[in-house]
Amino acid sequence: TQLLEQSPQFLSIQEGENLTVYCNSSSVFSSLQWYRQEPGEGPVLLVTVVTGGEVKKLKRLTFQFGDARKDSSLHITAAQPGDTGLYLCAGARNYGQNFVFGPGTRLSVLP
Amino acid sequence: GAGVSQSPRYKVAKRGQDVALRCDPISGHVSLFWYQQALGQGPEFLTYFQNEAQLDKSGLPSDRFFAERPEGSVSTLKIQRTQQEDSAVYLCASSPKRTNPYEQYFGPGTRLTVT
Repeated sequence: TQLLEQSPQFLSIQEGENLTVYCNSSSVFSSLQWYRQEPGEGPVLLVTVVTGGEVKKLKRLTFQFGDARKDSSLHITAAQPGDTGLYLCAGARNYGQNFVFGPGTRLSVLP
Repeated sequence: GAGVSQSPRYKVAKRGQDVALRCDPISGHVSLFWYQQALGQGPEFLTYFQNEAQLDKSGLPSDRFFAERPEGSVSTLKIQRTQQEDSAVYLCASSPKRTNPYEQYFGPGTRLTVT
């Protein structure tokens, strides 16, 4: 049973389009992180959110943590081919170090 | 500066062999994590060190898996009597923080194939 679910599993869009991917759980997390992973490499941290309802922006990427700290979304504006990759969300439970990762959303942005 | 490095990058082992995977974290980082990532899946937590102390090993799948970080820097993940289900990418991450929320910096991983 996946503690963290991500949707959609796969997404293929044209350059310039907007998109939103989701990370959902029935559990409460003390913090949640988003990573992007490219083939043959380790995940790279994009953002950490800790407060329910928190919104963070990173250039064209907007991250939101749900009010109940059980879910999160990542919105990309005007996607570019360089945004292609596997987007992973990861939650920390009970303020600990045991991180739970979702299965990821594989994004492909076509030129 | 140098990031997290892992060696070897690729390892092929015959079933039943023992393997050792090495992680060199970013200098000065107190926290170190090991994860297992199966094909098409997200990473799964294996174990956590704070300096040389292994504070959480709840994710190690069996007693064939053993990790150490004797001097609080380099870490080794050892798998004894490898099985085919051990085939995966093993990721190491380090963090300068000792409490949540951690900023984890990942290495490129070691791809283990057990034949």
